[in-house]
Amino acid sequence: DVKVTQSSRYLVKRTGEKVFLECVQDMDHENMFWYRQDPGLGLRLIYFSYDVKMKEKGDIPEGYSVSREKKERFSLILESASTNQTSMYLCASSVGQTSYNEQFFGPGTRLTVL
Amino acid sequence: SQQGEEDPQALSIQEGENATMNCSYKTSINNLQWYRQNSGRGLVHLILIRSNEREKHSGRLRVTLDTSKKSSSLLITASRAADTASYFCATGRPGAGSYQLTFGKGTKLSVIP
Repeated sequence: DVKVTQSSRYLVKRTGEKVFLECVQDMDHENMFWYRQDPGLGLRLIYFSYDVKMKEKGDIPEGYSVSREKKERFSLILESASTNQTSMYLCASSVGQTSYNEQFFGPGTRLTVL
Repeated sequence: SQQGEEDPQALSIQEGENATMNCSYKTSINNLQWYRQNSGRGLVHLILIRSNEREKHSGRLRVTLDTSKKSSSLLITASRAADTASYFCATGRPGAGSYQLTFGKGTKLSVIP
């Protein structure tokens, strides 16, 4: 079974802190994605990566950056956390250069910024 | 930008009844997928339908796609309490380099035992 793991289920940080969210997948998938999920807004794509060291902006990249140094690992970085970044963050992965394939999701990280 | 819009936003039914959720989208797609999310968890893929397909079945799930109306529906037959979850449609766009899906806001389904 494909497994996507995220480093924390719950995280509490203070305004201005640098925050790292880690995601690891074990199925050699080319594509990895970071979403945030907020009530009433659904899932919104922050960044995605289709290969090592490659990244593409999604719909809401402002205030975030990403890093993909190894194929299995995709990190989301909040350079200076703000309260409006309090949200559920979901990582996903998929195979192939196509949107036809399903995405496999991690369990999510609920981040609270105080 | 949001592509899919699910309708209704929330649905409450009795166990054993059928549940129907709808999804509308705005631009051309090459596939549409449905996902389920149990409370506070990650999403799980349910079914994919390609743009040249009209209907697809998987167990108690039936998905239809009408590209002329830019809409899809998900039918869950003989619902169970375990079907209580949020359901999201996600669309994939044609074109080279289109790896991502665009998700809607979801329908929250409650199945009452």
